[in-house]
Amino acid sequence: LAKTTQPISMDSYEGQEVNITCSHNNIATNDYITWYQQFPSQGPRFIIQGYKTKVTNEVASLFIPADRKSSTLSLPRVSLSDTAVYYCLVARGSGGYNKLIFGAGTRLAVHP
Amino acid sequence: ETGVTQTPRHLVMGMTNKKSLKCEQHLGHNAMYWYKQSAKKPLELMFVYNFKEQTENNSVPSRFSPECPNSSHLFLHLHTLQPEDSALYLCASSQGLAGNTGELFFGEGSRLTVL
Repeated sequence: LAKTTQPISMDSYEGQEVNITCSHNNIATNDYITWYQQFPSQGPRFIIQGYKTKVTNEVASLFIPADRKSSTLSLPRVSLSDTAVYYCLVARGSGGYNKLIFGAGTRLAVHP
Repeated sequence: ETGVTQTPRHLVMGMTNKKSLKCEQHLGHNAMYWYKQSAKKPLELMFVYNFKEQTENNSVPSRFSPECPNSSHLFLHLHTLQPEDSALYLCASSQGLAGNTGELFFGEGSRLTVL
C-alpha cells in the first residue's frame, strides 16, 4: 500500500481556512484517499474520502490533482474544537484487501 | 455515539492477570478490527476479522488473543502482559474490507494500564 507523508504539526487561528496536504507518490489505480480526525483519548472519526478531483461534504473539502500523488484536506473557518490530529490514509478499493494503516498524522492546533 | 461500544473504558492489571476487552458493534457490519495506540505513536493495526474469520494478524505477540464469535462481537484476551503493553486499545468496524466502501467506525477505546 502507498506510504503517506504529511506535516507533523500545523497552527491556525479561529475563522481561518486550513489546508493540510498529504503526499502519496506510490498510490495505485485502485486506491482511495481517506482522511480521519482524532481527538485525545477517542477513536478516529471519518471525515472524507475521494478518488480524484474534488469532494465536498458538510465538514471539509478534499482536493486531489490529476496525478493523484497528493491530496489536500481543506477545513473552512476552523474553530477551537477543530484542534485534533488529522490522518491521511490510502486504502485499496473494490476487489482488493484493505489494510488501513495510520501514519503519524498532522497535529492541528487552533488558537483564539 | 458511533455504534461501536467498548468495555471496559479503563482497565488496570498486573502482569500475571488475565483480562479481556470487549467490543460490540450495532451497525450490521461484517468486518471488525483491533488497533493499539501507545502514547505519542500512530495507531498500530493488530487484528482484522471478516465474517468472523481472522484475515490479518499483524505480528502481534501471543499474549494478545483475539476472539470473534460473530460479526457483532470482538474480544481481546490479555494474559501475562508487560508494562509496555499499556496503551489505548481501539476497536473498529466497517461494512466491508475494501477501502472504497467508506469508513471505519471506531469505539471510544479501552485505556489499559499494566503494572
